[in-house]
Amino acid sequence: GEDVEQSLFLSVREGDSSVINCTYTDSSSTYLYWYKQEPGAGLQLLTYIFSNMDMKQDQRLTVLLNKKDKHLSLRIADTQTGDSAIYFCAEMDSSYKLIFGSGTRLLVRP
Amino acid sequence: DARVTQTPRHKVTEMGQEVTMRCQPILGHNTVFWYRQTMMQGLELLAYFRNRAPLDDSGMPKDRFSAEMPDATLATLKIQPSEPRDSAVYFCASGLGFNSPLHFGNGTRLTVT
Repeated sequence: GEDVEQSLFLSVREGDSSVINCTYTDSSSTYLYWYKQEPGAGLQLLTYIFSNMDMKQDQRLTVLLNKKDKHLSLRIADTQTGDSAIYFCAEMDSSYKLIFGSGTRLLVRP
Repeated sequence: DARVTQTPRHKVTEMGQEVTMRCQPILGHNTVFWYRQTMMQGLELLAYFRNRAPLDDSGMPKDRFSAEMPDATLATLKIQPSEPRDSAVYFCASGLGFNSPLHFGNGTRLTVT
């Protein structure tokens, strides 16, 4: 079945860039998503990329997609303490279900 | 800002009791998803609907869980009877057709004692 994998934890210093990586298995995925979850809250859509693109930039966020390797990354430039949260990668499979990774906890140190 | 609304935010109940969780999708959205989040299992898809019709509820324990959409503005998830292992945060999400991003509610935190 489909599987989405992420590293569990990332710690960066405030002002540095953060890169969160994700791998997925369903080559028929049409869209790939990044969500952010803060404590006690739901998942907030950050950005998404269509599978025929290899890069998308949105202010401090850059998404890179390597379809050949089924690898997706999220780069956050100038990381701030408010960026501390859990980040989920998700793929939409061929039956239109959104399959999530286990989430990467980002800790931003002052 | 349009948002998905879930009620209640928190629910504490005793084992064996019925639990009903409600979700109001964003107006105009025609897909609704129910997810469950636990530390051990992460985010699990329980069921999803398109135009109020259930498309897949294979992620749900059928003997105790049921999901319905009585109308386009309300989705419900019921557990009867509830068990301690059902303790989790239940999220509802809605979208505008397939291939569109899902928008999540803030969840219902369920504790079954």
